[in-house]
Amino acid sequence: GENVEQHPSTLSVQEGDSAVIKCTYSDSASNYFPWYKQELGKRPQLIIDIRSNVGEKKDQRIAVTLNKTAKHFSLHITETQPEDSAVYFCAATASGGGADGLTFGKGTHLIIQP
Amino acid sequence: NAGVMQNPRHLVRRRGQEARLRCSPMKGHSHVYWYRQLPEEGLKFMVYLQKENIIDESGMPKERFSAEFPKEGPSILRIQQVVRGDSAAYFCASSRTSGRAMSTGELFFGEGSRLTVL
Repeated sequence: GENVEQHPSTLSVQEGDSAVIKCTYSDSASNYFPWYKQELGKRPQLIIDIRSNVGEKKDQRIAVTLNKTAKHFSLHITETQPEDSAVYFCAATASGGGADGLTFGKGTHLIIQP
Repeated sequence: NAGVMQNPRHLVRRRGQEARLRCSPMKGHSHVYWYRQLPEEGLKFMVYLQKENIIDESGMPKERFSAEFPKEGPSILRIQQVVRGDSAAYFCASSRTSGRAMSTGELFFGEGSRLTVL
């Protein structure tokens, strides 16, 4: 099945700086890569996703890049703000073999220092 | 659209009791997924269901855990004879399309049910 590794587990950046979170996946058949943001005690919410037919996608301060050859994808947050503090999860489709649910990374706790 | 509704939000059980967690998917969604989240960890896939069918339960423990999604009513995750290690947040998610068509669909999560086993 799919295996998703996420780094770092904790990331602390100064407000206004950029943050980058990286993930690798194992199943070359995976074709959908969403990123979820989870605030303390809240539900995970989709913030951006990318499909295998594109290499980069941007939405205001958030961007995601995908390298299918290397099987890794990254989340980039620019001009970080205090409200960006949360746990971020990457995920990949668990395609093939029957499992149709997303496989998630273990999460990155992003801390924005004022 | 009320979103994915889960209840109870918090549940306390003693060891050996049963826990029942309920999930109503978003209107128009027929695919339901259950995930377990342990403290400081990610979301672990448990089971994927469509109406009246379990599509994939590869993430479910072989004993004590079961899930259903009847024709009428919410999806239910049932944990029998709970143990302390079952303490976790259990998230339900729904989508309009299946995983293989995930490129056209988003997974929407409920607020979770937090189970504490004493």
